[in-house]
Amino acid sequence: EVQLVESGGGLVQPGGSLRLSCAGSGFSFSTYWMSWVRQAPGKGLEWVANIKQDGNEKYYVDSVKGRFTISRDNVQNSLYLQMNSLRADDTAIYYCARETGGPDYWGQGTLVTVSS
Amino acid sequence: EIVMTQTPLSLSVTPGQPASISCKSSQSLLHVDRKTYLYWYLQKAGQPPQLLIFEVSNRFAGVPDRFSGSGSGTDFTLKISRVEAGDVGVYYCMQSVQLPPYTFGQGTRLEIK
Repeated sequence: EVQLVESGGGLVQPGGSLRLSCAGSGFSFSTYWMSWVRQAPGKGLEWVANIKQDGNEKYYVDSVKGRFTISRDNVQNSLYLQMNSLRADDTAIYYCARETGGPDYWGQGTLVTVSS
Repeated sequence: EIVMTQTPLSLSVTPGQPASISCKSSQSLLHVDRKTYLYWYLQKAGQPPQLLIFEVSNRFAGVPDRFSGSGSGTDFTLKISRVEAGDVGVYYCMQSVQLPPYTFGQGTRLEIK
């Protein structure tokens, strides 16, 4: 059974940093692109970033470029999102997702709240 | 950036009746590999999105055949042949032909009458 479990969310002040993690199991993690998708409270879905199997290709939505960094560890079967210079509009549930052309399996999400 | 536009934004359906959601993209979603990268998701209250349909018309594992997807180019449709109470939630279309970014529609809220 494919499982994705996010962690690392919490309350952070504007300008602060947070690192999200996503542990994958039940599939061959190293053979899939992986994504982060977020959802602000009461809003729709926004794709944030994704990363190729070997970590050598990464893409970001414009609003997080230069502030967020996606990475992965294929030995630990883990996906990460380093978030710096956080702003109030980064407040959201962050989901990690496996990709097969597009996201197929999703984790339960981790809540990030940016507030003073 | 490809803009995805869903209609209607909300839908109220009697159980057993059909439902249909439209999704239009600002550019063709046909890739050079001849696949069309249009996906449909359902997000039930308090849950992550779940994949229903991939590449326009392919049902994901475990998705009932009451759900079907169709379309090509820039115009796509999700149909539910007979709505059930468990189908309540928000439906999203998404394109992954152009990166970055992947883009979602605004979402269509389905409720039961």
